[in-house]
Amino acid sequence: EVQLVESGGGLVKPGGSLRLSCAASGFTFSTYRMDWVRQALGQGLEWVSSITSSSSSTTYADAVKGRFTISRDNAKNSLYLHMDGLRAEDTAVYYCARRRTGDRGDFDYWGQGTLVSVSS
Amino acid sequence: EIVLTQSPATLSLSPGERATLSCRASQSVSSYLAWFQQKPGQAPRLLIYEASNRATGIPARFSGSGSGTDFTLTISTLEPEDFAVYYCQQRSNWPLTFGGGTKVEIK
Repeated sequence: EVQLVESGGGLVKPGGSLRLSCAASGFTFSTYRMDWVRQALGQGLEWVSSITSSSSSTTYADAVKGRFTISRDNAKNSLYLHMDGLRAEDTAVYYCARRRTGDRGDFDYWGQGTLVSVSS
Repeated sequence: EIVLTQSPATLSLSPGERATLSCRASQSVSSYLAWFQQKPGQAPRLLIYEASNRATGIPARFSGSGSGTDFTLTISTLEPEDFAVYYCQQRSNWPLTFGGGTKVEIK
């Protein structure tokens, strides 16, 4: 069974840093592109970042470019999102999501999400 | 950035009725459009990928159509568990974008 479990969320002050993790199981993690998607409370979905299966390429939304870094450790079946310079508008539930077919495809599995709150 | 506009924002229907949800893209996304269902407190669930393909385990009452800029998600006969928010999403161009959602509520 495919499982994605996020962790690392919490309350952080503006300008602070946080690292989110996503532990994957039930599939060959190293062969799938992975993404982070966020959702502010009561709002819609916003794509954040993507990384290829081999980490050869990363892509970011303009809203987080230069502040967030996506990475992965295929040996540990884990995806990460390092967030620096956090702002109030980064407050959201952050989901990790797997692409349906290798390095392409749609989001077929999602984690349950981890809440990041940025407030003084 | 490709903007996806979903309509209507809210659809009030009764169980057993047919639901038709629209998603319009600001430029062509070919068939690289997906539909997701989200219930309160839950992660989104993939329903339809590449405009018209049902994801694994999705009931046949869900169908998707369209290409280019105009797409439709149809729920042929609403079941009680289908009342939720539905999002479309494109992966034709970076950045990936989602529509604003359509809430299907019980009338």
